[in-house]
This record gives sequence, C-alpha cells and structure tokens, in this order.
Amino acid sequence: AQKVTQAQTEISVVEKEDVTLDCVYETRDTTYYLFWYKQPPSGELVFLIRRNSFDEQNEISGRYSWNFQKSTSSFNFTITASQVVDSAVYFCALSEPNYNTDKLIFGTGTRLQVFP
Amino acid sequence: ETGVTQSPTHLIKTRGQQVTLRCSSQSGHNTVSWYQQALGQGPQFIFQYYREEENGRGNFPPRFSGLQFPNYSSELNVNALELDDSALYLCASSLARAGRDTQYFGPGTRLTVL
Repeated sequence: AQKVTQAQTEISVVEKEDVTLDCVYETRDTTYYLFWYKQPPSGELVFLIRRNSFDEQNEISGRYSWNFQKSTSSFNFTITASQVVDSAVYFCALSEPNYNTDKLIFGTGTRLQVFP
Repeated sequence: ETGVTQSPTHLIKTRGQQVTLRCSSQSGHNTVSWYQQALGQGPQFIFQYYREEENGRGNFPPRFSGLQFPNYSSELNVNALELDDSALYLCASSLARAGRDTQYFGPGTRLTVL
C-alpha cells in the first residue's frame, strides 16, 4: 500500500536550534518520487525538494538538508539554525509514476513552531 | 512566469448548494490536479486533468466534478454541498502527468459550508 507517515504532529524549538522532521513511506514500486512542501499560515503549499528513488545522495540547500535512506524507507528533513520564519506545517509526499495518475500522497504533516 | 492562481479566496455556502472553484495553471503547464485539505490533515487527491481529460480520480463521490479548458485552466464543481465539504481546496499544476514533474500549488480556496 502507498502511505506516508509523519509521526511527529508538532515540534517546538527555540531559534538557532537544529530540528529534524521525520518521514517514512510505503510503496509497491521501485520507481517513485518523494517531496517536501512547506505550508505557512497563508495556506499555500510551497515546494521545497523532489527526490527520485534512484538517487540516494543527501542534499543540502542553505540551512535545509535532506537524508534519503531506502533501506529504512525514510526521507528526513533537517533545518539547521532554525529561524522564526521557518514556523509552518511541513508535509512529506510520495508519487508513483508507473500508476498513470500523477497524484501526490501526503502525510499528515508536522507543525513546526520556532520561538524567538 | 506567472504562478498558479485560484479564485475565489474564500467562499461561504449552505448545505445543498453548488459551488464552482477556479484555477489557472502556471505558464507552460498542461496538467492540473485538485486536492481537498480538511483542517489539521494532509491534502487528499480529488482528481487530475491532462489535456482536457480526467486522468485519475481519488476517493470522492461523483458530485465532485471538473473541467479543463484549452488554455489548461480548470474548474472544480461540487454539487449538493455537505458540511464535511468545508475545507481548503488546493489546485496544483505540473508540466506533465505520471509523477515525473513537480506539482506547484496555488494559494487555495477556503470553502465553508453552513
């Protein structure tokens, strides 16, 4: 079954702390894509990263980094030196292109609150 | 490059009424997907349109229907509104179907059904 689990419902940190958001996925396929989106209070989902199943290299973009491990079916997201502007709900999502429909399967999200 | 736009921003309806939500895709994108996001939940896939044809549907009843126009903009129609239809409706566009391209989301339409 296709499924994305974000076990952390809410995380609170103080500015400048590092924080890791966990994502575990289930899929039937060997070819799939994983995504992270940020949803600030305004509601719009902002794309952060896309990863395909054949590329397990970790990625760093500024204060953001992603750790993709197929062996544990996890795609975790770390924010280094968090800032108040990072406060939002973060969603991990999965898509399986071999099933024709380009749908995204989302986790339930992790609400991150960064306090000054 | 213009991003995904949606209208209206907010909408209040009563049970039994019908509603139409609109979405303009990002320039150059030919695929539009619609999602429903209930409060505190992740978005749930409603359906997708590719070149004016429905290309997959989630677990939503037939009273949820849609259209895509030649300019790739799209409408979501919901008939016989129920209280549980209250949600944020998100539209996303992408360059191609079949998961190989990133979906970019609009700001959403918040629907309240009283």
